[in-house]
Amino acid sequence: QVQLVESGGDVVQPGRSLRLSCAASGFAFSEYMIHWVRQAPGKGLEWVAAISDDGSNKYYADSVKGRFSLSRDNSKNMLYLQMNSLRLDDTALYYCANVVIFPAGVDIWGQGTMVVVSS
Amino acid sequence: AIQMTQSPSSLSASVGDRVTITCRASQDIRKIVGWYQQRPGKVPKLLIYTASTLHSGVPTRFRGSGSGTNFTLTISSLQPEDFATYYCLQDYTYPRTFGQGTKVEV
Repeated sequence: QVQLVESGGDVVQPGRSLRLSCAASGFAFSEYMIHWVRQAPGKGLEWVAAISDDGSNKYYADSVKGRFSLSRDNSKNMLYLQMNSLRLDDTALYYCANVVIFPAGVDIWGQGTMVVVSS
Repeated sequence: AIQMTQSPSSLSASVGDRVTITCRASQDIRKIVGWYQQRPGKVPKLLIYTASTLHSGVPTRFRGSGSGTNFTLTISSLQPEDFATYYCLQDYTYPRTFGQGTKVEV
């Protein structure tokens, strides 16, 4: 079964850290760039970060650059998002996703893990 | 970062209506755009990739068009299950960016 399963979401105070995990199964995880997309309550989708298939290239949204860090372990089909210096506006449902728009279409999303930053 | 300006932000429609949603990129992104549907409480679902290619299993009433900076998603005859929020996404360069979303409601 093709799936991505996120974990690690929690309620944390501003300034603290949290690590999200994403477990992949059912597809060739090591061949794909994987993304994190988040959605604040009642708001739209925001692309957060992506890591290349071999982990050598990482990309971040300006809103999280310098605070969030991606890593992956292809031997375990795992992806990690280390979130530091969390802010109130980081509160969101965080999706792990394998999405490809060019040249082919690939669309695999997890169900999301909720991060709440609150004092 | 490339801005994706989506319009309208919401629209009211009825079953059977033809619906058009547009997305304008702040620079030329060729045809490297996708369209997503998100129903309330659900995970986003890819409808269209490379601007005009229908993703597997997506009904043919959905059509994407455009290139360069202007893109359109058209639903030819709105069905009850199509009431949802739609997003465009550019995959031309990083950071990737979504449009703000268009909520299609009754």
